[in-house]
Amino acid sequence: AQSVSQHNHHVILSEAASLELGCNYSYGGTVNLFWYVQYPGQHLQLLLKYFSGDPLVKGIKGFEAEFIKSKFSFNLRKPSVQWSDTAEYFCAVNGNAGNMLTFGGGTRLMVKP
Amino acid sequence: DAGVIQSPRHEVTEMGQEVTLRCKPISGHNSLFWYRQTMMRGLELLIYFNNNVPIDDSGMPEDRFSAKMPNASFSTLKIQPSEPRDSAVYFCASSRASSNQPQHFGDGTRLSIL
Repeated sequence: AQSVSQHNHHVILSEAASLELGCNYSYGGTVNLFWYVQYPGQHLQLLLKYFSGDPLVKGIKGFEAEFIKSKFSFNLRKPSVQWSDTAEYFCAVNGNAGNMLTFGGGTRLMVKP
Repeated sequence: DAGVIQSPRHEVTEMGQEVTLRCKPISGHNSLFWYRQTMMRGLELLIYFNNNVPIDDSGMPEDRFSAKMPNASFSTLKIQPSEPRDSAVYFCASSRASSNQPQHFGDGTRLSIL
């Protein structure tokens, strides 16, 4: 069975600070990896995804994530956060045949203006 | 391109009543997922369908919950009888049936059982 761990449950940053949210998964085979964002009161939206190729993936709104296979990690980064980045961030993995996703528990990010 | 459409957006009802949540997936998507989100338990997958067939319903909490997908463009999640602990936001998502395709989420139904 696959699982996803997001170790930071809550993160508080000031505007312009750099962001890194951790995501580790357990699955020994080929994986597809996703980061979703959920703004307050809204639905989950795709930030970025990794299937193959360059392990450094760039997404929307200046976010990027790096797949490190040896560490089973897919951490999300942004060099300079904005107040509007306040949201909950979910890492998800698909390692099975089929397209069911396993989500991490989410990280709540608060950016102070 | 219309996204995943869920109705109603909000539902408030008394315990014991039947609740039906509806979802229209994105046209051309043949996988559909129902999730429940609460503060305590986070995001939970309840059930998912491929080509209208239920594939995994292990997340359905109990027999009071049932889901159907009579055709490719419509699914329902029913709770009967409803209980206060069912209060949550219920999301529907759809995707193409391939492991590298992202899921697209609807706006959710915020359910409150009094």
